[in-house]
Amino acid sequence: DTAVSQTPKYLVTQMGNDKSIKCEQNLGHDTMYWYKQDSKKFLKIMFSYNNKELIINETVPNRFSPKSPDKAHLNLHINSLELGDSAVYFCASSADLAVVYEQYFGPGTRLTVT
Amino acid sequence: GDSVTQMEGPVTLSEEAFLTINCTYTATGYPSLFWYVQYPGEGLQLLLKATKADDKGSNKGFEATYRKETTSFHLEKGSVQVSDSAVYFCALSRMEYGNKLVFGAGTILRVKS
Repeated sequence: DTAVSQTPKYLVTQMGNDKSIKCEQNLGHDTMYWYKQDSKKFLKIMFSYNNKELIINETVPNRFSPKSPDKAHLNLHINSLELGDSAVYFCASSADLAVVYEQYFGPGTRLTVT
Repeated sequence: GDSVTQMEGPVTLSEEAFLTINCTYTATGYPSLFWYVQYPGEGLQLLLKATKADDKGSNKGFEATYRKETTSFHLEKGSVQVSDSAVYFCALSRMEYGNKLVFGAGTILRVKS
């Protein structure tokens, strides 16, 4: 049973479109994250939620909007896609924020904007 | 702000060679330190971690020691295998910053048989 799953695995779309990436964890964790990995493999935090509450919102364009309908799900919606949004997006989860726990990562969603 | 610096790769070794990947960090306070590994086409997996100074993390023959005096967390393995070929990321996190992981640039390791 997959701990952290993401859909879709691959997403190819044109500039200007709106798309969503979904993430689900079945670990019973309270905290979820979105990270972006660029073409040079560099990873950077985008957002985190704890029990459906936004905790971290890094300097990400307003076109990116996370939504957490419940603590097991954290979705990422992207409006007006740009070429520079092409990357691999990873969802992760950890038990909670009280201590530093391991983060469990999903398999990633490779977004290609043409 | 917090940052992590790793040695640039790719690092190419023959099977059974000794591996060292250097990692240093800049942070105030007492961050927790991690090594994550990414195999081709996969997500990241935690390899090992250390949460306080002088802690040694170890897993699958890999080791790293949290050195506060040199702000370092170098990854070592005595004898690498072809299956160790992957990208290795050093990272830190702090509770006061929501436990977000701050990653180094990653080091590609290639092991030849």
